[in-house]
Amino acid sequence: DGGITQSPKYLFRKEGQNVTLSCEQNLNHDAMYWYRQDPGQGLRLIYYSQIVNDFQKGDIAEGYSVSREKKESFPLTVTSAQKNPTAFYLCASSIKAGGSTYNEQFFGPGTRLTVL
Amino acid sequence: AQKITQTQPGMFVQEKEAVTLDCTYDTSDPSYGLFWYKQPSSGEMIFLIYQGSYDQQNATEGRYSLNFQKARKSANLVISASQLGDSAMYFCAMSEYNFNKFYFGSGTKLNVKP
Repeated sequence: DGGITQSPKYLFRKEGQNVTLSCEQNLNHDAMYWYRQDPGQGLRLIYYSQIVNDFQKGDIAEGYSVSREKKESFPLTVTSAQKNPTAFYLCASSIKAGGSTYNEQFFGPGTRLTVL
Repeated sequence: AQKITQTQPGMFVQEKEAVTLDCTYDTSDPSYGLFWYKQPSSGEMIFLIYQGSYDQQNATEGRYSLNFQKARKSANLVISASQLGDSAMYFCAMSEYNFNKFYFGSGTKLNVKP
């Protein structure tokens, strides 16, 4: 089945540790995105990538880093510089970014990160 | 300025009644798309309905319809015959032709009462 996988579903880390969240898609989509969601809030864009080996900062990129070495993979690293990393993280992909009005984003199941 | 505004943080509706969730948007791009997503408590984001800026008719998908008023820049979601399973967060979103981002509103939490 085509889709987006995120692992793990729940992640616990100690304060000061870097942690990497996985996101893999087999939809052959060019564009991939990372969002952060705090309880009762909307989605905020962390990073997005339109093509392999290229990515752009979103609205809240500080304290996060990404890579896009393969089309199907877009891992997110939450660094110790992120002041309040406990949140729900959603990965998404779309066929391409821009150049279309029908640019539905497909979402993974999310990872709940708790920093102790 | 906010690209997507949802002014109803929470709403209640009686089971089997219709409910309208409000969404207004802001863009100078003549080509754009509007989306609604549902997010149950499990956290997954479920695509509900899409409306293109050049579509002449309002989009419909089963019990969901989108009341698109272009001049007012509004894209309200109408859910007919509400069911208990409709209780969730609902997000309005927009994609612009010339830009690479997807903009989300702050969401509306819908509670369906039996």
